[in-house]
Amino acid sequence: AQKITQTQPGMFVQEKEAVTLDCTYDTSDQSYGLFWYKQPSSGEMIFLIYQGSYDEQNATEGRYSLNFQKARKSANLVISASQLGDSAMYFCAMREGPPNDYKLSFGAGTTVTVRA
Amino acid sequence: NAGVTQTPKFRVLKTGQSMTLLCAQDMNHEYMYWYRQDPGMGLRLIHYSVGEGTTAKGEVPDGYNVSRLKKQNFLLGLESAAPSQTSVYFCASSSWHRDTEAFFGQGTRLTVV
Repeated sequence: AQKITQTQPGMFVQEKEAVTLDCTYDTSDQSYGLFWYKQPSSGEMIFLIYQGSYDEQNATEGRYSLNFQKARKSANLVISASQLGDSAMYFCAMREGPPNDYKLSFGAGTTVTVRA
Repeated sequence: NAGVTQTPKFRVLKTGQSMTLLCAQDMNHEYMYWYRQDPGMGLRLIHYSVGEGTTAKGEVPDGYNVSRLKKQNFLLGLESAAPSQTSVYFCASSSWHRDTEAFFGQGTRLTVV
């Protein structure tokens, strides 16, 4: 079964508008971590934001915020005030397992294209 | 500060040839991972290591072997390359803390003809 599901293969957003990228996950662990990464066309993986399963507040990092709904097992990324440089592929990831055997799983990714 | 370095960056292999991809990290991280990235499939975990001398299978381990003889290095081997192994390979490392992010190498683009 897929651990991480990203249902939007591609999205278009107008510059300066907000965009929400969906991510749902599947785990039986009580303690886990959720991450979002950005991969521009140059190929490198850039860490954006982290949410712990026990964190009561949604994580925010500048223009990035994570809409964490634990009961629904969703961890959507919101990018506010989109910029042309936000055009990239975005991956949701989950780290789960016991402390001596973590696994880090990724979704299939969502390609975001920002239009001027 | 180099972070995570992968060698080589590009490689073309003939079917049946063997090769080793090297990943080196200078952050004293316990965890190291090898992923492959294929269009529409995201990053899939091949093998990972939770510390020096340990390795474990990930989601798609068949056709690959790994070794972690030194904490800073994680090697990925292809004993007999197949066209299905054409992909971009990423190495990553992270500390044992659950809430710290993984750091990635720049990727290796491998083509098997």
